[in-house]
Amino acid sequence: NAGVTQTPKFQVLKTGQSMTLQCAQDMNHNSMYWYRQDPGMGLRLIYYSASEGTTDKGEVPNGYNVSRLNKREFSLRLESAAPSQTSVYFCASSDNSPIQYFGAGTRLSVL
Amino acid sequence: KNEVEQSPQNLTAQEGEFITINCSYSVGISALHWLQQHPGGGIVSLFMLSSGKKKHGRLIATINIQEKHSSLHITASHPRDSAVYICAAMTGNQFYFGTGTSLTVIP
Repeated sequence: NAGVTQTPKFQVLKTGQSMTLQCAQDMNHNSMYWYRQDPGMGLRLIYYSASEGTTDKGEVPNGYNVSRLNKREFSLRLESAAPSQTSVYFCASSDNSPIQYFGAGTRLSVL
Repeated sequence: KNEVEQSPQNLTAQEGEFITINCSYSVGISALHWLQQHPGGGIVSLFMLSSGKKKHGRLIATINIQEKHSSLHITASHPRDSAVYICAAMTGNQFYFGTGTSLTVIP
């Protein structure tokens, strides 16, 4: 059972480039989340989607957009990457319970 | 200001020692979540609790709602317990994460 799958695992971008991080879950969960993790900062919520067709801003949404394509997929887009977006990105899902299931993470470097 | 504070930030223990990691939170919560992040980066859920105590193997989690405090205990620690332990407070639809406690268990 795959759980939460994130792609890619690693990415290097130049400043100004765009890219989309993909996330898919096969647990039929309603809620999906995007976090970034930076040293000394803990996990910070970028955007979340409580159900298919809805998205809401989290703590640090600036510079990002999201799409809840269907119940399974929740993508995170960087339209014009900046060095400050160098981070590890985690996607997570939950069935509206406190248990979240995390993907393996995407390590993004913006040069 | 962090809604969730963890201590200590770093912890080194000898194999076999009893370990305690603390988590204090300032928000009203519906549940508290303990996570383990492996050196490779993967995150797994350990416990979810909203009251009392839960035990799984050598891991024990407790929560005191009145004091807004939770602890994660590891008995008979082992080098494979080396990881970052993160507590997360759930309120509404959102989670607030501590910055994690990095545990190293030395053989």
